[in-house]
Amino acid sequence: KNQVEQSPQSLIILEGKNCTLQCNYTVSPFSNLRWYKQDTGRGPVSLTIMTFSENTKSNGRYTATLDADTKQSSLHITASQLSDSASYICVVTGGNDMRFGAGTRLTVKP
Amino acid sequence: KAGVTQTPRYLIKTRGQQVTLSCSPISGHRSVSWYQQTPGQGLQFLFEYFSETQRNKGNFPGRFSGRQFSNSRSEMNVSTLELGDSALYLCASSFSGTVNGEQYFGPGTRLTVT
Repeated sequence: KNQVEQSPQSLIILEGKNCTLQCNYTVSPFSNLRWYKQDTGRGPVSLTIMTFSENTKSNGRYTATLDADTKQSSLHITASQLSDSASYICVVTGGNDMRFGAGTRLTVKP
Repeated sequence: KAGVTQTPRYLIKTRGQQVTLSCSPISGHRSVSWYQQTPGQGLQFLFEYFSETQRNKGNFPGRFSGRQFSNSRSEMNVSTLELGDSALYLCASSFSGTVNGEQYFGPGTRLTVT
């Protein structure tokens, strides 16, 4: 069964600290993996999209990694800011199947 | 460039009624996808329309339907509303499509069924 699992479910960090969010998937075949940031009450915003051949992709302070062999991805946030408080959703697409993780709720405190 | 717009933003309906939601994509985008988001189930894919044709469909009952017009604007209809249909309904537009294209989400329509 195609699934996407994210961990942790929630995370609280202090402003300025780094953090890493995890995404494990069993979706097959694999087309791409995306990370989205969703602020409360708003639509998701794309952070990165990676295909099979890409190991790392950065977008400012966000860096996503992909290990297609172990079917794992991570999103690393550097020097966190209060505005990083949001839900981060991992989405894996394979063929015509699109699977969403439940998300990680990140809270950055001053 | 204007972003994806959705109307209405908030809606309250009664069980058994039907509802129509609207989505206007970014100019030039031919793909519009619809999603349901609930606290329990998270984000779930409903369907994708590309150049007025349904190209992909998620695992939702036939009460959920959609269409796309020649100007790429899309509508989603839910008939015989149930309490479980209460959710945030998001649409996303893309130039090349859901599978490989960059998607841009609208702010969503918050539907409450009482």
